Amino acid sequence: GESVGLHLPTLSVQEGDNSIINCAYSNSASDYFIWYKQESGKGPQFIIDIRSNMDKRQGQRVTVLLNKTVKHLSLQIAATQPGDSAVYFCAENPGAQGGSEKLVFGKGTKLTVNP
Amino acid sequence: EAQVTQNPRYLITVTGKKLTVTCSQNMNHEYMSWYRQDPGLGLRQIYYSMNVEATDKGDVPEGYKVSRKEKRNFPLILESPSPNQTSLYFCASKISQGTYEQYFGPGTRLTVT
Repeated sequence: GESVGLHLPTLSVQEGDNSIINCAYSNSASDYFIWYKQESGKGPQFIIDIRSNMDKRQGQRVTVLLNKTVKHLSLQIAATQPGDSAVYFCAENPGAQGGSEKLVFGKGTKLTVNP
Repeated sequence: EAQVTQNPRYLITVTGKKLTVTCSQNMNHEYMSWYRQDPGLGLRQIYYSMNVEATDKGDVPEGYKVSRKEKRNFPLILESPSPNQTSLYFCASKISQGTYEQYFGPGTRLTVT
């Protein structure tokens, strides 16, 4: 899920398929994780969040999975639609236990849904 | 409609010419912040404000100023812009400290020549 240089990782899926977007986070002390969706020309939009005491959380057509052993977060989108085409990025809160609310943002994955 | 608004959306300016990007939210949120987004770097926090007259530095505050005189407004000021401040800027707000769900504005694309 993290980008290298100026190029974002990309994922291309067919409409109706399920999508899985991955994110590797850096800090084992992170307590809280968020997925954002950013459409072209718009600001990031909150999708779903999860706390470190959970390993799965479901929303409407989305599921977030957290694997703390390997510091990995994934976003699953069911029955992907053209309107899901966007850049998706994760954010972690590495200082939650110390009371800090600072978020560290990943660089994102570009999802393209083909009709 | 609950929203965060920013103005201008696009701005091209020259080095050294002071500018202000305005941000306003209509959700009565206490907490507001400014981010910049650059290719390959993700969102980085510039400044944040916990409430009126309470501001603090984020990760990349150099070259920026902010003020929070009213709850709804949080302008970002570049006293002497430089080309390395060319970026996409986002204002965000959330209800208060202790919450994480932030609402982002539409962004301001700034080019400094």
